[in-house]
Amino acid sequence: EVQLVESGGGLVQPGGSLRLSCAASGFTIKSHWMSWIRLAPGKGLEWVGNIKQDGTETHYVDSVRGRFTISRDNARNSLYLQMDSLTAEDTAVYFCASSFMDVWGKGTTVTVS
Amino acid sequence: DAVMTQTPLSSPVTLGQPASISCRSSQSLVHTDGNIYLSWLHQRPGQPPRLLIYKVSNRFSGVPDRFSGSGAGTDFTLEISRVEAEDVGVYYCVQTTQFPLTFGGGTKVEIK
Repeated sequence: EVQLVESGGGLVQPGGSLRLSCAASGFTIKSHWMSWIRLAPGKGLEWVGNIKQDGTETHYVDSVRGRFTISRDNARNSLYLQMDSLTAEDTAVYFCASSFMDVWGKGTTVTVS
Repeated sequence: DAVMTQTPLSSPVTLGQPASISCRSSQSLVHTDGNIYLSWLHQRPGQPPRLLIYKVSNRFSGVPDRFSGSGAGTDFTLEISRVEAEDVGVYYCVQTTQFPLTFGGGTKVEIK
């Protein structure tokens, strides 16, 4: 069964940091661009950023650039999102997904308060 | 950035009747490779989104044929030929032609 499982969410104070992880099974991430996407309360989906198969290229939405860093470990079949200088506006459910958007995790909740 | 505008915001529909959702982009979504990377997703409450349509009109594996996508240039449409109870939720268009990837605001489909 294809699975992406996010972890690392929680409650953090403004200005704090969190590191999210996304572990894949039944799905080999090394063949895919991978994205982080978030859903804030009462809002729509927002693409956070993505990373190329070999990790040599990353792209971010303007609102997180310079604060968030996406990385990957293909040997561990895992994706990461380092989030620094968090603000209340970063409160959301964070999903990892293939950049083709055919495979999604169930999400992990980040609350900045 | 390509701003994606979806209409309507909400769509109450009768079971068995059709539904249509529009998505308009502020910029051309034609990639340098000639493809238009416009997809449609469906999200039920408490679940992650699910891919329905990719590259404007291609139905993803396992998606019922009552779902269809069409469009060109900057205007795109998702149609459900006969709405079923399991189709409730929020529908999003998303463009993956250019960075940043951008989503429409979402259309909530509910049963009358």
